[in-house]
Amino acid sequence: DAGVIQSPRHEVTEMGQEVTLRCKPISGHNSLFWYRQTMMRGLELLIYFNNNVPIDDSGMPEDRFSAKMPNASFSTLKIQPSEPRDSAVYFCASSYGGGMDGYTFGSGTRLTVV
Amino acid sequence: RKEVEQDPGPFNVPEGATVAFNCTYSNSASQSFFWYRQDCRKEPKLLMSVYSSGNEDGRFTAQLNRASQYISLLIRDSKLSDSATYLCVVKSGGSYIPTFGRGTSLIVHP
Repeated sequence: DAGVIQSPRHEVTEMGQEVTLRCKPISGHNSLFWYRQTMMRGLELLIYFNNNVPIDDSGMPEDRFSAKMPNASFSTLKIQPSEPRDSAVYFCASSYGGGMDGYTFGSGTRLTVV
Repeated sequence: RKEVEQDPGPFNVPEGATVAFNCTYSNSASQSFFWYRQDCRKEPKLLMSVYSSGNEDGRFTAQLNRASQYISLLIRDSKLSDSATYLCVVKSGGSYIPTFGRGTSLIVHP
């Protein structure tokens, strides 16, 4: 398996622009997580999907953030409009069932908003 | 009290040293425990699960103390390549969502 695949690897955008991050989970995994990591706050859970359904989005910072999972093999995280404080590394992770075997992370998207 | 707490370090040790990290958790219903390793500018990767009876994988030993609500990671014979941030992960039985600690930084020097 190719693992969790995220794109793009790097994104530099201007404040106010829309940003879309993409994730392909491991085939067969039914749980998908979007995390944001910064030096100040560490890893923060943004949203969790189970069987393509958003279960917990309490970590989504505000209405500028939205996430979708239209099918078991694809998810997007969108920021519109982007702000400099959104600059961070965004990770997608997937797991099977209750995560008893752990969680596999993608290589992340490093977002810089200028 | 934070759900999962770790000493951020850094732990600065010479090659060959033995080093141990602890991680405390606040939810007594926690049932799954993991140690992840994160290299600079890379994603977290599963290092090992932590079982109730303790478990070992080569130079790495993980232990769980439910009474005191902490897990530990022991690294023997440290290598330069062990330099990384080690993240503690805890999950309660009733939740699918893991809680990550902020990580402990380890620097192994020659």
